[in-house]
Amino acid sequence: GAVVSQHPSWVICKSGTSVKIECRSLDFQATTMFWYRQFPKQSLMLMATSNEGSKATYEQGVEKDKFLINHASLTLSTLTVTSAHPEDSSFYICSAIPGGLVDGYTFGSGTRLTVV
Amino acid sequence: GDSVTQMEGPVTLSEEACLTINCTYTATGYPSLFWYVQYPGEGLQLLLKATKADDKGSNKGFEATYRKETTSFHLEKGSVQVSDSAVYFCALRGKAAGNKLTFGGGTRVLVKP
Repeated sequence: GAVVSQHPSWVICKSGTSVKIECRSLDFQATTMFWYRQFPKQSLMLMATSNEGSKATYEQGVEKDKFLINHASLTLSTLTVTSAHPEDSSFYICSAIPGGLVDGYTFGSGTRLTVV
Repeated sequence: GDSVTQMEGPVTLSEEACLTINCTYTATGYPSLFWYVQYPGEGLQLLLKATKADDKGSNKGFEATYRKETTSFHLEKGSVQVSDSAVYFCALRGKAAGNKLTFGGGTRVLVKP
């Protein structure tokens, strides 16, 4: 079946540094990918929709300059947390839909980001 | 806008007990409805889905029926196992929302041997 690979699975970084998270569709092309943020014991919050070859669409309240999204190819989207602060610590999850598979959302395994 | 409300956890059960997690939704038209499961430290896995009224989704002993009249999609399992311990999310894709998913708050289930 369709697989979305997300790396790294966990990362610890210092305040003020930037962290890049990769989301790859392994056996299908994904023109659209979704990035979510999940706080401990809470639900998933959609941050942005990543579109291949164009700018991402950010949800209201999400800082586009802080959470940079690049979707340069049909199999790779990246989320860069710039100038990270402790409040950015969270679980980040990406998702994609294999082409032609209606409602076939496939999720990555998530990235646990801890900013110290 | 679209919204999903599901019962808060944690829900603690003994093995072989019955499980029901309530989920109700608000959306225009006929959304697609989903249940996802998340094991500790992992992403989400699709458990089951239903795309139209009266459809029943089922998988791994779990079932949920799309009830348009009560705008509900309750998750049920007749006999849970320890391995069912996880967080369960109800979600919908509204017809006017493109491909965006709206999630409920999640329900943590703990099954004790």
